[in-house]
Amino acid sequence: AQKVTQAQTEISVVEKEDVTLDCVYETRDTTYYLFWYKQPPSGELVFLIRRNSFDEQNEISGRYSWNFQKSTSSFNFTITASQVVDSAVYFCALSVPPNAGNNRKLIWGLGTSLAVNP
Amino acid sequence: GAVVSQHPSRVICKSGTSVKIECRSLDFQATTMFWYRQFPKKSLMLMATSNEGSKATYEQGVEKDKFLINHASLTLSTLTVTSAHPEDSSFYICSARGGLGVWDTQYFGPGTRLTVL
Repeated sequence: AQKVTQAQTEISVVEKEDVTLDCVYETRDTTYYLFWYKQPPSGELVFLIRRNSFDEQNEISGRYSWNFQKSTSSFNFTITASQVVDSAVYFCALSVPPNAGNNRKLIWGLGTSLAVNP
Repeated sequence: GAVVSQHPSRVICKSGTSVKIECRSLDFQATTMFWYRQFPKKSLMLMATSNEGSKATYEQGVEKDKFLINHASLTLSTLTVTSAHPEDSSFYICSARGGLGVWDTQYFGPGTRLTVL
């Protein structure tokens, strides 16, 4: 069975703090993709990153960085020097091969609500 | 690139009426579009997947006669909530996946907030 767990329901930090959002996934497939999306209060989901299962290199994009570790089935997301504009719900998602002819779906975590306070 | 629009952004309707929501991929051709429903402070629930020119595939528990999906072109999919009732009030989000690669990223529209009185 495939599953994505975001154990942190809500996180509250003060501006300029670093914060790490955890994501643990389960799948028996050897080929899969992992995603992070941001959903600000406006509601629109914003794509942040896609990582395939064969690429364990960590990635940095400005203040954002992602740590992919297959050994622990984790794909954690760190925001450095957080800002108020980072306040949003962050979703981790897993894409696995389709079965029974259906389209490849995204399996979503429940999301982590991040509040960055001034 | 990869912009998806949704219209309307907000709709209020009376119980028993039908509401149509449009989802458009503005700068790419979407071979597959997805429709989600999201309740307050909850994750996304996939309702159906549609491929251009074919019937939508609905998730278990989603009434296909209630939620009509049409994917008539590579840039447009519509969701019609028929005979809407207050329990259909929710945030509906579409996403589009372009290209022939099934690993392609889903890009999301801004969502439609439906309120049924």
